[in-house]
Amino acid sequence: AQSVTQPDIHITVSEGASLELRCNYSYGATPYLFWYVQSPGQGLQLLLKYFSGDTLVQGIKGFEAEFKRSQSSFNLRKPSVHWSDAAEYFCAVGVLITGNTDKLIFGTGTRLQVFP
Amino acid sequence: NAGVTQTPKFRVLKTGQSMTLLCAQDMNHEYMYWYRQDPGMGLRLIHYSVGEGTTAKGEVPDGYNVSRLKKQNFLLGLESAAPSQTSVYFCASSYEPGWDSGANVLTFGAGSRLTVL
Repeated sequence: AQSVTQPDIHITVSEGASLELRCNYSYGATPYLFWYVQSPGQGLQLLLKYFSGDTLVQGIKGFEAEFKRSQSSFNLRKPSVHWSDAAEYFCAVGVLITGNTDKLIFGTGTRLQVFP
Repeated sequence: NAGVTQTPKFRVLKTGQSMTLLCAQDMNHEYMYWYRQDPGMGLRLIHYSVGEGTTAKGEVPDGYNVSRLKKQNFLLGLESAAPSQTSVYFCASSYEPGWDSGANVLTFGAGSRLTVL
C-alpha cells in the first residue's frame, strides 16, 4: 500500500541553524512528491514538488528537497532557518487511483519550532 | 482572486445534528477534494470530485456525503454528526489530473474546525 512516513513528529532548532526534515515514501511506481507547509490556523501551502528530472528541487522561502530513489526518501532542507519558518510541514506522494485520476497521500507531519 | 473559500470556519454541533460545509473556488478548477486533519494522522481524503456532477469516495468516506452541482462548489455533508467527526476539514482544488503537466498542484482553503459534542 502507498504510504508516507515522517519519522520526526516535532523538531526544535535555533534561528540561523540548518534544517532537515525527513520523509520516506512507499509507492510502486514513479513517485510524484510534494512538501507543503501549514502555518497555525492556515491552510496548506505548496513549498516544492518533484515530478521528474533533477533530483534536487528548489522551492519557495529558501527550501530545497532531494529525491533519492534508492532510499525512497524526499528530505526537505534549509541552510538557515528563520523564526517565521515555525510551522507544520507535510510530505505527500501523488498516487494514481484509476485511469488518470489521482490523489495525494500525506504524511503525519512534522512540527517545527524555532528558538531565537 | 479569492482562491478556495470554506464556510463556516468554526462550528459546534451536538451528536446527531446535521450540517453542510461549503467549499467554493474561483479558479475554474476541475478537481475538488475534501480532507480531514486529525492530530498525528496527517490529512486523509474523504471524498473528491473530478468534475461537475461527479463525486467519488476517498480513504475515509463513511458518515459523509458530498455534492458537486456546480463546478465552483463542493459541499460536504454530515447527516448525523458523531464525536469521531470532530476534526479540521480542508477543501482543496486543482486544475486537471495528470502529474506530467505539473498542473495538478492542490490549492487549499483555510480550513473549517468542527467540534461534535
